[in-house]
Amino acid sequence: NAGVTQTPKFQVLKTGQSMTLQCAQDMNHNSMYWYRQDPGMGLRLIYYSASEGTTDKGEVPNGYNVSRLNKREFSLRLESAAPSQTSVYFCASSDGDEQFFGPGTRLTVL
Amino acid sequence: QKEVEQNSGPLSVPEGAIASLNCTYSDRGSQSFFWYRQYSGKSPELIMFIYSNGDKEDGRFTAQLNKASQYVSLLIRDSQPSDSATYLCAVNTPYSGAGSYQLTFGKGTKLSVIP
Repeated sequence: NAGVTQTPKFQVLKTGQSMTLQCAQDMNHNSMYWYRQDPGMGLRLIYYSASEGTTDKGEVPNGYNVSRLNKREFSLRLESAAPSQTSVYFCASSDGDEQFFGPGTRLTVL
Repeated sequence: QKEVEQNSGPLSVPEGAIASLNCTYSDRGSQSFFWYRQYSGKSPELIMFIYSNGDKEDGRFTAQLNKASQYVSLLIRDSQPSDSATYLCAVNTPYSGAGSYQLTFGKGTKLSVIP
């Protein structure tokens, strides 16, 4: 079991570029989440998907879009990256209360 | 606005001592409470969860919950240098119905265990 996997591990973008962060889980969980973590700000929820086919905004959704491709995969897209989106992005999945986190993607926007 | 507050630290304790980490939350509807450990550069990992008032022990870790005071704590007995990490308090509350839940995290307390 790989658990929750994320790609890429690191990425550097220029302002205005777009990219998609990929997340997959092999635990057959219904719910999946995208968080960002900034120094001094803790983990903040960007979007979540309670089940396949549904997505909802979290605390900080502006500038992001998501796709729940199937039960395993949940992607996060930045259409036009901004320096304020420089952060570490974590994907998580759950089938109840406990959330399991992926290893994270460290994104820098210049 | 659901809030979870933690002292950011750093909290320094000598090896073998008890480390006490505290957390308060604002949403009285919160049902589940979690402590995650995060080593530098790594992802959060769950170490304890508690649902009911009182204490819950797991090895060297004890979680304490007081819903009336909206207070959760984590005690680490016989602290080891390997316990040095940031500890995140998280509170789970129902969100938008339909069986979905949202975790609200505190900003974390950095713990340093000094050999």
